[in-house]
Amino acid sequence: TQTVSQSDAHVTVFEGDSVELRCNYSYGGSIYLSWYIQHHGHGLQFLLKYYSGNPVVQGVNGFEAEFSKSDSSFHLRKASVHWSDSAVYFCAVSAANNAGAKLTFGGGTRLTVRP
Amino acid sequence: EAAVTQSPRSKVAVTGGKVTLSCHQTNNHDYMYWYRQDTGHGLRLIHYSYVADSTEKGDIPDGYKASRPSQENFSLILELASLSQTAVYFCASSDWGTNSDYTFGSGTRLLVI
Repeated sequence: TQTVSQSDAHVTVFEGDSVELRCNYSYGGSIYLSWYIQHHGHGLQFLLKYYSGNPVVQGVNGFEAEFSKSDSSFHLRKASVHWSDSAVYFCAVSAANNAGAKLTFGGGTRLTVRP
Repeated sequence: EAAVTQSPRSKVAVTGGKVTLSCHQTNNHDYMYWYRQDTGHGLRLIHYSYVADSTEKGDIPDGYKASRPSQENFSLILELASLSQTAVYFCASSDWGTNSDYTFGSGTRLLVI
């Protein structure tokens, strides 16, 4: 079974700062990795995903994530955050040998962007 | 626009009562899922379905049943609601294939008293 760990429950930065939200996974086979964002009171929205190829993937609103097989990581980054980026961010994995697309989510990281 | 719609948005239920949460998708997706989210935690998979009239157990199915009467509709049923089932429930849909991203509903906030 696959597991996902997001080591930082809360991250606080100022508007214009860069930010990195960490995600580590555990699984022995091929996996799909993705990030979702959840604004307060809403459902999750897809940000970006990775399966193969270029380990740096671009998502919406200036977000990018980098896959590292050696570190078993898929960290999310943004060069300059805006107050509207305040939300909870979830990393998710899906085993590539699944017949379906069942996702396993990390516990989430709450990002607070201060003006 | 393709969407996942959940009803009700919130509900208060009595311990031991029956609760049905409904989900409707217009994405023409094969897969549908029910997750629960507890305060300050991630999402855990309860049940999912990849075709009408068939459901599969997720990681935490105990105390829940699911029904998929059509491709568009997927219900979560709590036959005997318990205090521990107080949570926010999210429905999602996805296309076939492990590289498909999910479309989530806005959630149903359930309080069992």
